[in-house]
Order: sequence, then C-alpha cells, then structure tokens
Amino acid sequence: EAQVTQNPRYLITVTGKKLTVTCSQNMNHEYMSWYRQDPGLGLRQIYYSMNVEVTDKGDVPEGYKVSRKEKRNFPLILESPSPNQTSLYFCASRYRQGYEQYFGPGTRLTVT
Amino acid sequence: GESVGLHLPTLSVQEGDNSIINCAYSNSASDYFIWYKQESGKGPQFIIDIRSNMDKRQGQRVTVLLNKTVKHLSLQIAATQPGDSAVYFCAEGGGYNKLIFGAGTRLAVHP
Repeated sequence: EAQVTQNPRYLITVTGKKLTVTCSQNMNHEYMSWYRQDPGLGLRQIYYSMNVEVTDKGDVPEGYKVSRKEKRNFPLILESPSPNQTSLYFCASRYRQGYEQYFGPGTRLTVT
Repeated sequence: GESVGLHLPTLSVQEGDNSIINCAYSNSASDYFIWYKQESGKGPQFIIDIRSNMDKRQGQRVTVLLNKTVKHLSLQIAATQPGDSAVYFCAEGGGYNKLIFGAGTRLAVHP
C-alpha cells in the first residue's frame, strides 16, 4: 500500500530534550516536506527536500532541522524543543512532476 | 481525534444538497491551486487541482472554479454525503515545493 508513515503518532516531552520524528514514504517520491498545523493558522511548511541531500527552509524553519540521507526517509529533528513547538506535525511527499502530495497521519507533539 | 481548528468557519448543509466552499488566495503569480480534505484524526487528502491557465475543472462529484480577476477559488461538491464532513483547505502553489495553505473551512453534513 502506497503510504507515508510517521512515528511517533503522539509525543509528550519536556523543554530542551532533543527529539526526532521519523517520516518514511514507499512511493519513490523525490519531494518531501514537513508541515505544522495550528488552530486557525492552517498548515505551514517547515522544511522541504527536493531529493537526497537537497533540503531548504520553508516558512517556519526556526528551531527545526531535517536531513535527507535516503530517498524514502525525511526525519524532523528538534534539538531543543520549546513549548511554542507544541503542534500537530505532518510529513508529505510527492513526485517531482505533479501536484498531488500524500500526507502522513500526523504526529501530535506536546512540549511542557 | 486530532483537532485541526476550533474556530474555523463552518458550512452546514443537508445531505443531498450541493456544497460550495470558497477560498481567497493571495498571490496572483501562483501556478496552481489544490483542494484538500482533512477528516478528524487524519492527514490532508488531495481532492483536485487546477492550473492557473484554467477556469474550471471537474472531478468525481467535485468541481473547482478559479477566478483570477478577484483571486478566488471555490470547490463545489454535488449531492453532499455524510462522508464529505471534514475540514477543507485550499492551497496555492508555485515553484519547487512551495504550497501556501488557507486556514480551512469545516463542512458539516446533516441528515
């Protein structure tokens, strides 16, 4: 089944404790993105990657890091999480040509 | 399920009626526009897209209209069903992987 998977689905952590949210897709997509979703603000892009070893900032990159060492994986790293990073996070992927993005199921992160 | 927005505008319709969800976009240079559906507890799901050189595009039970003069996009759902209840987002895109999403509209379908 073609899908984007994220882990964990739910995470509660404390300020300053480094964490990684994993994202994996099995569709051989070139493009991958991370978004955060907050009430009333819609989805905002954090980082994106056009292919392996190619990443760039989205609209709200502060406090986040990403890497793209393999085509299928695009982990999101919070080196020192803060409460303002409490949010619902989505990973997405698509082919280089085409507009249809496939989204993962989301990761609910709470930073206390 | 996950809350995607506690204070979204809500469109309430009767089952079987047609629904029209509207969206204003910001960038007149956007190349394409997409509608997504997000059900509670799930990630957004692609519905339909339209290029900026088109005015109308039809899918299965859905039609998207684009009015570039007033930077307005609409999604029409024919014969709305309970399974259509969700939050609907429009997104505008242009270049690389850049998508800008609207805040969303909640569609509530009543029997």
